[in-house]
Amino acid sequence: DIQMTQSPSSLSASVGDRVTITCRASQSISNNLNWYQQKPGKAPNLLIYGASSLQSGVPSRFSGSGSGTDFTLTISSLQPEDFATYYCQQSYNILTFGPGTKVDFK
Amino acid sequence: QVQLVQSGAEVKRPGASVRVSCKATGYTFMNHAIHWVRQAPGQSLEWMGWINAGSGTTKFSQQFQDRVTFFRNTSASTAYMELRSLTSEDTAVYFCARNLGYCVTTGCWFDPWGQGTLVTVSS
Repeated sequence: DIQMTQSPSSLSASVGDRVTITCRASQSISNNLNWYQQKPGKAPNLLIYGASSLQSGVPSRFSGSGSGTDFTLTISSLQPEDFATYYCQQSYNILTFGPGTKVDFK
Repeated sequence: QVQLVQSGAEVKRPGASVRVSCKATGYTFMNHAIHWVRQAPGQSLEWMGWINAGSGTTKFSQQFQDRVTFFRNTSASTAYMELRSLTSEDTAVYFCARNLGYCVTTGCWFDPWGQGTLVTVSS
């Protein structure tokens, strides 16, 4: 199976900060990489699919980039509702998720 | 709007089975596969497999293929997941999610997700 890693595992930030989360695959997955946001006690919510396509209804401060093995999720200006855990997911082979990155208040 | 609504929380004894339902509304049920994903307390997400809601074809993660069954009732627009031989390690929230894209070829993604069903396995 393809292994996914994320860095950092957690970060502390303030409203208005630019935040970048990295996801790395153990082998090339082309652009078959998605990002989800999950808040405590809730289901995940799709943010980005195909590495860089913004899901309908998701604010434009979220963006994704990368291909092959290295990907990033960027939040251009962190808002109070963005404090959550973020997961990457590959769909190139047997579907796997990253371990998550928790974004909390500094 | 497109929505997946899951059945309620379950408490099971070790060795028992559990069945979780996932009712779809707001779209043509047979046009999209349904994935099942679980999340143990404090852990990441773990993909269990999927069912093609049109054909009924299933695909499982190797970890679960011996003790999980997926099926669907197209007239009720409902998908089901049944997990057998439960142990305490199966305690988790189980999610269903609608497939978008083409998993086998150009990639797929999940939207929306059900609200989750907590399954607790305890003696």
